[in-house]
Amino acid sequence: DIQMTQSPPSLSASVGDRVTITCRASQGIRNYLAWYQQKPGQVPKLLISGASSLQPGVPSRFTGSGSGTDFTLTISSLQPEDVATYYCQKYYSVPLTFGQGTRLEIK
Amino acid sequence: EVQLVQSGAEVKKPGESLRISCKGSGYNFTAYWIAWVRQMPGKGLEWMGITYPGDSDTRYSPSFQGQVTISVDKSITTAYLQWRSLRASDTAMYYCARVTYCPGTGPVCYFDAFDIWGQGTMVTVSS
Repeated sequence: DIQMTQSPPSLSASVGDRVTITCRASQGIRNYLAWYQQKPGQVPKLLISGASSLQPGVPSRFTGSGSGTDFTLTISSLQPEDVATYYCQKYYSVPLTFGQGTRLEIK
Repeated sequence: EVQLVQSGAEVKKPGESLRISCKGSGYNFTAYWIAWVRQMPGKGLEWMGITYPGDSDTRYSPSFQGQVTISVDKSITTAYLQWRSLRASDTAMYYCARVTYCPGTGPVCYFDAFDIWGQGTMVTVSS
């Protein structure tokens, strides 16, 4: 089965910083990669699918990129409301595996 | 409004059985799969399995195969997650989520990302 590995596990940055989270698949998954945001005490929310397609209503400061095995989620200018844990997920075929998450905090 | 509404929090003892539910509304229930996701306290998301209301086709994560049963009743647009004998290690939040299959216009079918999530059901197993 394909494993999904995120880095770093946690991250602390200042408001306005550019933040990058990485997700690596153990085998190529083309662009079948999603990113979810889970704010503290809330339900996960789909941010990006197809590695780079923003869901409606997601702020444009969020960008996804990558293909194959290496993917990134970038927040161009960190805002206080972006405090959350971010998960990548491979889809297309089962198992629909999540990465272990990256916890993002404000410094 | 498209939504998945899950059943309420449960407190159970080890060895007891349990079934939690996830009711879909606002969309064609049989046109989408329903996935289940576990989140243990302070931990990440784990995909458990997925079921198709159209014909009850169900796939399990190897980690959960034999540990839980996923089922669906399309007549009442509800999916279920069931345990025969709970353990303390089953204490977690459980989410259901909607999944498109065959999302594109071409002939290739595949599972898409989880676009709609239920509010979660907290299951606590303690003696």
